[in-house]
Amino acid sequence: AQSVSQHNHHVILSEAASLELGCNYSYGGTVNLFWYVQYPGQHLQLLLKYFSGDPLVKGIKGFEAEFIKSKFSFNLRKPSVQWSDTAEYFCAVTDGNNNDMRFGAGTRLTVKP
Amino acid sequence: SQTIHQWPATLVQPVGSPLSLECTVEGTSNPNLYWYRQAAGRGLQLLFYSVGIGQISSEVPQNLSASRPQDRQFILSSKKLLLSDSGFYLCAWGTGRTEAFFGQGTRLTVV
Repeated sequence: AQSVSQHNHHVILSEAASLELGCNYSYGGTVNLFWYVQYPGQHLQLLLKYFSGDPLVKGIKGFEAEFIKSKFSFNLRKPSVQWSDTAEYFCAVTDGNNNDMRFGAGTRLTVKP
Repeated sequence: SQTIHQWPATLVQPVGSPLSLECTVEGTSNPNLYWYRQAAGRGLQLLFYSVGIGQISSEVPQNLSASRPQDRQFILSSKKLLLSDSGFYLCAWGTGRTEAFFGQGTRLTVV
């Protein structure tokens, strides 16, 4: 079965540090890729998405992600994190028709002020 | 614009009782519909998804079932709840070219 792996369960950074969260998937064909964020006590919010085209995707709040097809990866990056980025981050992957959207287990990011 | 309604927001049910959670979508036709359960440290677990009326794909064998009686209605059910069914349930919709849009969720506590 298809699966999504987020290897970092909890990441702790100081403000202004750079961030990279890993996401790998096991789908073999065309994929659509997403990163969502969930701030404490709030609902899921879309950060960015990839359907096709430029594999480097820019999202909201300074986040970006790079789709590397050969590595089945879609890692999330931010050059300089802020305390307000403290949240849980989820990677999601679907097949090309969005029929089967699966999420990773999530990575909890704590940014120390 | 599209909206998704999910209810109830919270529910406390005794073990062995039935369950029915409803989700409806407005403003779109023939959406893909999803039921997820969110648990701490486990992300969102896909329970069921549907690409059309009466078409249900089950991802995890368990005590739950889903139905799609109308194009924009998705129902999560159980005949007899177990303690392990407690959790946060999310309904979502999407299309072939969009992300998933989530309902407000239902916090289910089985006692």
